[in-house]
Parts: sequence; C-alpha cells; structure tokens
Amino acid sequence: AQTVTQSQPEMSVQEAETVTLSCTYDTSESDYYLFWYKQPPSRQMILVIRQEAYKQQNATENRFSVNFQKAAKSFSLKISDSQLGDAAMYFCAYRSARAGNDMRFGAGTRLTVKP
Amino acid sequence: DAGVTQSPTHLIKTRGQQVTLRCSPKSGHDTVSWYQQALGQGPQFIFQYYEEEERQRGNFPDRFSGHQFPNYSSELNVNALLLGDSALYLCASSYLGTANPHGYTFGSGTRLTVV
Repeated sequence: AQTVTQSQPEMSVQEAETVTLSCTYDTSESDYYLFWYKQPPSRQMILVIRQEAYKQQNATENRFSVNFQKAAKSFSLKISDSQLGDAAMYFCAYRSARAGNDMRFGAGTRLTVKP
Repeated sequence: DAGVTQSPTHLIKTRGQQVTLRCSPKSGHDTVSWYQQALGQGPQFIFQYYEEEERQRGNFPDRFSGHQFPNYSSELNVNALLLGDSALYLCASSYLGTANPHGYTFGSGTRLTVV
C-alpha cells in the first residue's frame, strides 16, 4: 500500500523568506501523481501544486515550486517570498495514475509565518 | 461554476445515533470520495463512489456506508456513532473518465461532534 510521510509537524518562516516542507512516499508503481494541498482555518483543501511522476522537470506555480526526486521517493515543497496568507496546514498527497484510485495524504505540516 | 457543496457544515450527535452527510460534486465531475480528518491529522480515505457503486474502500468498518445518486451527488451514513467518529468529514469530487492527472476538488467539510 502507498504511504505518505511528512516528518515536520510544524515549521516556521519569517515573512518574505523561503521555507521548504518535506515529504516522502512509498510505492511500487511507476506512474503516479503527487500533490501539495493547503488547508487554512476555513477547512477547505486547496490545491497548491501537482507533479506527474513521468515528468522530470519540477513543477512551479508562482512562488511555489517542488523538488521531485523519483528515485529517492521525495517530494518537497519550496515556498519563496513567504506571505502571511501562506500560514496553514500543508498536506502532501499521492495518487496512482490508474483510473479511480484514491488519494493518500500525509499527516500534514503546520506552517506559521512570522511578520 | 459551483464547487463541491457539503451539508450540513456542523453537526452534534449522541453516541449510538445515526448520521447522514451530503455532498454535491463540482459540475462535470462524476466521482465522489469521502475522507475522515481527525483533529490535527491528515485525511483518511473512507470510500469512493462512481456510477452509483462503491469503487474502493479504505480501512473503515461497515458502520460507514454510502450512496451515490444518478445526479452524482452522494451521501455518507454512519451508524451506531462512537465518540471516536468525531471528525471533519471531507467530500472530494473528480472526473474518472480519462486518465485524470488532476487532484480532487474538495468541499469545506462537515464537522461532526459525537457526545
């Protein structure tokens, strides 16, 4: 079974600085998708960024980028120029490319942004 | 374009009672997944419905059951409620028809408290 591990329960960053959140996963499949979701106090899970495993190029979305290391099964999220609005729980998630497979989540990292 | 709608937003039930939670998927989506998120934890997969049938199921007892209607909306039923069932229940929708590389669209959840 696929598992997702986030080893940092809490992280803190100064406003305008850069922070990296870690995620590792375990799978025997070769084709899958990886995601980072943000969950603010409003509770709704918001997709931050996604990565297809077959793509070697790391995904980037504005201030958010990932470091995808397929062999090491590592998928970290880098937030540049951190803003107060980035404060939230961040969840790493895995989904098999086989149609219909569910998404598996890590335990989350609580990010605090200090002004 | 309406996103995922869940009702009710909050619910308080007594141990031993039964509860029904409802979800309307995003327009164009045909698959609904349900997750349980305990306080401070990542979402745990309960089950997924597609074409009105349970397609996959996580490690949850038979007290948890569901249904999907022809309009793709879904219900989650929990019987014989336990204190440990207190959690945020998230509904997520997606489109199964093709090899979908995208993540799910989540609702804001139903906060269930069992007393």
